[in-house]
Amino acid sequence: NAGVTQTPKFRILKIGQSMTLQCAQDMNHNYMYWYRQDPGMGLKLIYYSVGAGITDKGEVPNGYNVSRSTTEDFPLRLELAAPSQTSVYFCASSDAFTGELFFGEGSRLTVL
Amino acid sequence: GENVEQHPSTLSVQEGDSAVIKCTYSDSASNYFPWYKQELGKRPQLIIDIRSNVGEKKDQRIAVTLNKTAKHFSLHITETQPEDSAVYFCAASSWTGANNLFFGTGTRLTVIP
Repeated sequence: NAGVTQTPKFRILKIGQSMTLQCAQDMNHNYMYWYRQDPGMGLKLIYYSVGAGITDKGEVPNGYNVSRSTTEDFPLRLELAAPSQTSVYFCASSDAFTGELFFGEGSRLTVL
Repeated sequence: GENVEQHPSTLSVQEGDSAVIKCTYSDSASNYFPWYKQELGKRPQLIIDIRSNVGEKKDQRIAVTLNKTAKHFSLHITETQPEDSAVYFCAASSWTGANNLFFGTGTRLTVIP
């Protein structure tokens, strides 16, 4: 099993550009999450999904959108990138039994 | 929403000594309290967790204690080793299905050989 796979690992965007961070998991987990990690700030939840076709906002959803068309995939879209979106983004998944979140390797995004 | 505070932000200990990291939470509905370890440039990984019906849990050199009345929980690492050096995050959630964790701001632990 690959676990949770994120792409790209690094990306530089110009202000106003858009992009999609890809996330896929092969553990058949129902629950998936997107977090952002800023220095000294811990991880904050952007969006989450409880299953295909169902998504909901977390703590910091502004400027982002998600979709969940399959159990495996949970892409995060940034529209009109801003410098405040410079961060490391982690995708994660979990099942209903253990509560453990399995994280991807992270995507470092810089907006200039 | 939930607010999790974590102290200290940095901690240095000599190899073999113990390390203690403390967290407080605000939402009395929180019932799940995990600790994640993040090595430099790596993904966070779960090292131990505790649920609200338990006061203490141990796994070899690490232990977690929970005081629900005071709304605080702590991570204890005994006999520290250089490979324990990392950033440790506490978190809390009112886990029902999706496990939406609220994280503390992290503690950078350095174990000096």
